Amino acid sequence: DGGITQSPKYLFRKEGQNVTLSCEQNLNHDAMYWYRQDPGQGLRLIYYSQIVNDFQKGDIAEGYSVSREKKESFPLTVTSAQKNPTAFYLCASTRTSGNEQFFGPGTRLTVL
Amino acid sequence: KNEVEQSPQNLTAQEGEFITINCSYSVGISALHWLQQHPGGGIVSLFMLSSGKKKHGRLIATINIQEKHSSLHITASHPRDSAVYICAVEMGNDMRFGAGTRLTVKP
Repeated sequence: DGGITQSPKYLFRKEGQNVTLSCEQNLNHDAMYWYRQDPGQGLRLIYYSQIVNDFQKGDIAEGYSVSREKKESFPLTVTSAQKNPTAFYLCASTRTSGNEQFFGPGTRLTVL
Repeated sequence: KNEVEQSPQNLTAQEGEFITINCSYSVGISALHWLQQHPGGGIVSLFMLSSGKKKHGRLIATINIQEKHSSLHITASHPRDSAVYICAVEMGNDMRFGAGTRLTVKP
């Protein structure tokens, strides 16, 4: 079955540690996105990538980094520079801009 | 002020009731999306529309481009419709999300 997977579903880290969240899709989609969701707020765009080996900062990119070495994969690293990393992180993909977005199940990151 | 405003924030209904969730936006858009987020966190796309009206089962979405407003209607609501409904607007490569409407349908 085609879809987007994110792992793990729950992740706990100590403050000051970098952590990488996985996002994989087998939909053959060109564009992939990372969003952050905080309680009572809309999703906010962290980074997006429209093609392999290219990515752009979103609204809240500070403290995060990404890579897009393969079409299927768009991992997000939450660095120790991110001031408030505890949140729910959602990955999404689309065939191209202007098309329906497909979302992964999300990863809930808690930094202790 | 958020570029995408949803109302109400929270909505409780009895099973069978007709539900309306509203979305207003303040920017020019190329498309509007309605998304459903279940308690586990996963998000499903319900509709993508740029004009008029779309229907899927008991769900209906409408958009008025001139008034920058969209509505999501649920007919004959059911407890399984309980979820957070999110409006998102697309502006080129950018997307802006409303804060969501939490719907609870009681049996």
